Amino acid sequence: AQSVTQLGSHVSVSEGALVLLRCNYSSSVPPYLFWYVQYPNQGLQLLLKYTTGATLVKGINGFEAEFKKSETSFHLTKPSAHMSDAAEYFCAVSDRGYSTLTFGKGTMLLVSP
Amino acid sequence: NAGVTQTPKFQVLKTGQSMTLQCAQDMNHEYMSWYRQDPGMGLRLIHYSVGAGITDQGEVPNGYNVSRSTTEDFPLRLLSAAPSQTSVYFCASGTGMMETQYFGPGTRLLVL
Repeated sequence: AQSVTQLGSHVSVSEGALVLLRCNYSSSVPPYLFWYVQYPNQGLQLLLKYTTGATLVKGINGFEAEFKKSETSFHLTKPSAHMSDAAEYFCAVSDRGYSTLTFGKGTMLLVSP
Repeated sequence: NAGVTQTPKFQVLKTGQSMTLQCAQDMNHEYMSWYRQDPGMGLRLIHYSVGAGITDQGEVPNGYNVSRSTTEDFPLRLLSAAPSQTSVYFCASGTGMMETQYFGPGTRLLVL
């Protein structure tokens, strides 16, 4: 089975600062990688995904992530945090021959004024 | 277009009781899945379905049953609830597992 490690259960940034949320994965085959966001008391929604092709992926709300095969990483970044970015972020990797997803444990992003 | 709907929003059960969590989608998605979310554990896959009549187990299937008689509906059954099943349950659907998954609003279940 594949696995996902998200470093830091909580990350705090100031409004306007760089956001960096870390994700490392293990996979025995070329992975498909995803970032989902969960706002309080809601379901998850897709931020961005990597399947094949360009390793720098742009998503919604100004987020982007870069697939680095040599580092088995898929870190999520945003140049300037906004208060509305406060949420929990989940990294996920394809599993079982691309039939299921394995999620990380999540990182809560806190944004202070 | 309602997307993915889940009922009930909140439920309290006693140990040993049974219940069904409902999930429906109106996007004609073939792929549907059930996850449970527990603090510090992320989302764990319970069961999934790749189309009507086809289901398979996920990471944590014990204590749960599913069936998929129509494309739209994917109910999750707890046969004999246990306190360890206290969790938030999310249903999701998509055109395929590697495509965007659309999540419902969740069902909060408390088993006493």
